[in-house]
Amino acid sequence: GENVEQHPSTLSVQEGDSAVIKCTYSDSASNYFPWYKQELGKGPQLIIDIRSNVGEKKDQRIAVTLNKTAKHFSLHITETQPEDSAVYFCAASRTGFQKLVFGTGTRLLVSP
Amino acid sequence: NAGVTQTPKFQVLKTGQSMTLQCAQDMNHEYMSWYRQDPGMGLRLIHYSVGAGITDQGEVPNGYNVSRSTTEDFPLRLLSAAPSQTSVYFCASLDGSSYEQYFGPGTRLTVT
Repeated sequence: GENVEQHPSTLSVQEGDSAVIKCTYSDSASNYFPWYKQELGKGPQLIIDIRSNVGEKKDQRIAVTLNKTAKHFSLHITETQPEDSAVYFCAASRTGFQKLVFGTGTRLLVSP
Repeated sequence: NAGVTQTPKFQVLKTGQSMTLQCAQDMNHEYMSWYRQDPGMGLRLIHYSVGAGITDQGEVPNGYNVSRSTTEDFPLRLLSAAPSQTSVYFCASLDGSSYEQYFGPGTRLTVT
């Protein structure tokens, strides 16, 4: 089955810096890669996703890149703000399935 | 539009007791899932359903039962609670066209 590894487990940055979180996956048939943000005491919330027919996707300060050959994808947050502090999860699945396999999470701390 | 709701928010059980975690969604989504979240392990899929009357096992189904009699509701039953089931449980429903999963606020379960 699919296995998703996520690094780093914790990331501390200064406000205004960029943050990068990386994930690798094992199942070459996976073609849907979402990223979730989880704030304390809440459920995960989708912030951006990418499908395998696209190499990069941007939404304001957030971008995701996908390298299918190397089987890795990354989340990029630019101009970080204190409200970006949260736990971020990557996930992978085959389109048409809801069986998401999650990474272990990255705790991002943005200091003012 | 309440999205995905879960009850209770917190629960303490003794080993061997049974209980049902409730989940409901008002978005008319066919797909629903249950995940558990443990420290350092991300979210793991317990059971999922692709429509009323249809359920299937996920990655960690042992000790849990589900049923889906309506589109709106997807309860998770623990027949005989064990300390290993201490976790935070999240229910999610999937938009079948966008593949976005909407998570509920979670139920924190402690088994003593």
